[in-house]
Amino acid sequence: NAGVTQTPKFQVLKTGQSMTLQCAQDMNHEYMSWYRQDPGMGLRLIHYSVGAGITDQGEVPNGYNVSRSTTEDFPLRLLSAAPSQTSVYFCASSPAGTGPGSPLHFGNGTRLTVT
Amino acid sequence: GENVEQHPSTLSVQEGDSAVIKCTYSDSASNYFPWYKQELGKGPQLIIDIRSNVGEKKDQRIAVTLNKTAKHFSLHITETQPEDSAVYFCAAAAAGNKLTFGGGTRVLVKP
Repeated sequence: NAGVTQTPKFQVLKTGQSMTLQCAQDMNHEYMSWYRQDPGMGLRLIHYSVGAGITDQGEVPNGYNVSRSTTEDFPLRLLSAAPSQTSVYFCASSPAGTGPGSPLHFGNGTRLTVT
Repeated sequence: GENVEQHPSTLSVQEGDSAVIKCTYSDSASNYFPWYKQELGKGPQLIIDIRSNVGEKKDQRIAVTLNKTAKHFSLHITETQPEDSAVYFCAAAAAGNKLTFGGGTRVLVKP
């Protein structure tokens, strides 16, 4: 029972480089989202998707792109990495839309450092 | 948008004592309030949640209370054990909206 799988676990980038953080879930969840976690700031929503082909912005979307071509996958793209994007990134999914009462299932995160 | 404040940021308790974490929220439309536990190197995991039509909910040593008038909710852990040491997050959501998280509380249970 894999749940939400994130790859890679760790990544170091130089300023200006691009990369894609991968997220896959095997629970047939409609809702998927990306959060970043910074010390003392909790988790902040970057982008989310309520189903294949549908994405929307969260609280801190600048510098990130997403797409949702399948129910299972929700990759997060950093277009031109900046030191301010150094963070731990979490992907999460839930079984029903964006409505409340749908607990999020989190992956184990990707720790990204931008030098 | 919603704003969730969480206190304290760190909490140290003796094993067997109780721990209380408090959160306030700003959006009166919020009606779902989950709590997550995050262990080192892992993603957050849901431990308990409460909806606005309920004032209190309990699950073994964990309980959550909600005061919608004052717009605050709290997590209570009784008879703390070393395995309760972790970071705890509160969150809030209104209908059709996304979860907004508090800043987290690092709990240390001293044996």
